[in-house]
Formats: sequence, C-alpha cells, structure tokens
Amino acid sequence: AQKITQTQPGMFVQEKEAVTLDCTYDTSDQSYGLFWYKQPSSGEMIFLIYQGSYDEQNATEGRYSLNFQKARKSANLVISASQLGDSAMYFCAMSAGANNLFFGTGTRLTVIP
Amino acid sequence: NAGVTQTPKFRILKIGQSMTLQCTQDMNHNYMYWYRQDPGMGLKLIYYSVGAGITDKGEVPNGYNVSRSTTEDFPLRLELAAPSQTSVYFCASSYTSGGYNEQFFGPGTRLTVL
Repeated sequence: AQKITQTQPGMFVQEKEAVTLDCTYDTSDQSYGLFWYKQPSSGEMIFLIYQGSYDEQNATEGRYSLNFQKARKSANLVISASQLGDSAMYFCAMSAGANNLFFGTGTRLTVIP
Repeated sequence: NAGVTQTPKFRILKIGQSMTLQCTQDMNHNYMYWYRQDPGMGLKLIYYSVGAGITDKGEVPNGYNVSRSTTEDFPLRLELAAPSQTSVYFCASSYTSGGYNEQFFGPGTRLTVL
C-alpha cells in the first residue's frame, strides 16, 4: 500500500527566508513519482514540482526544489526566498503503479511580512 | 485551452437528493479522475477512468457512480445524497499513468448536503 505522511500541520516563515516542508512516503514499488501541489485559499490545485524515483538529481523549478532522499523515503519541498503569495496549503503526493495520486494531509504555510 | 472545467462551482443538496457533477477536459487526456477533499484533509480518489468506456473504483467509491462515454467528459453521479458527502470535489486528467503522472485539476465543486 502507498502512504504519504506530512507531519507539519502548519509552518511559518519570514518573507525572503527559505522554508522546508517535510514529506515521507512508503511504497513497495521500485518505480514511482513524487509531486508537490500548492492549494491557495481560492481552492485550486497547482502543480509545483515532480521527482521520479530513478532521477539521480534533485528536481528544481524556479524557487522550488525537492530534497529527495531515497533511502530515507523522504521528499521534502524547499521554497527559497519566500513571498507573501506563497501562503497556501502544500500537498505532497505519490504516484506508484496505480492510476492515481496518493496525497498527504497537507501543510499550511504562512509567510510573515 | 480551457484545461479541466467543472460545473457547478457550488451546490447545496438535501438528504436523499441526487445530482451530477460535470467535468470536461480539452487536452485529449486518456486518464481522468474524481477526488474528494474533506476539510483539513488531502484528496482521496473516488473513481478513475483510463479511457472512454472504462472506469474503475478508487479509495472511496461508495455512494457515487461515473460514466465515460467520451474522452472529454467524466461526470460523477450522487444518487442519494448524505451529509457524509459534504466535501469539495475535484476532477483531474492526465496524459499518462504510473510514474510521471502530472494531473491537471479543475477548480473544484463545493457540495453541502443538509
């Protein structure tokens, strides 16, 4: 069975600082994908970044990077130079074999001016 | 491209009523999904489809039905609404399955059952 765990219900970060949002996963599949989505207060789901299980380098997309530690089964999201618009819910998700994504419970990030 | 569109945006139902949530995508994606998001929680899969005419149950299918007669449309049917179905419903689509499976989400439908 697939499982995603996000242990931080809420996080605060000062504007322009970096923040790490934690995500651990569990799967017996060898091939899987890890995703991060952002959900602002307006409710839509916005894709941020993807990491494949066979990718040797950590994924980066602009200010977002994914700290992938395969042996520890963790896929933490790092947001650099936080902006007020980064305040939102962040969901870690995993795709492994099955035709869907398994989501964690999310972390609410608040950026403080 | 409009992407994934959902109607309605909001709906209030009485217990026992039925309704259909509409979902349409214009990206020619084979895979489509319905999720529900309860307050303070992540998304859970209700049903999914790998192509026209093919559907399968997800994690929480009870109380729902789906059909997929075209590539573009994937409606979700609630037959006898219950308060436990109060949730936000998201439709999504993707081009592939498995590993790289970036799903594109619709804006969601907020449903309240009273």
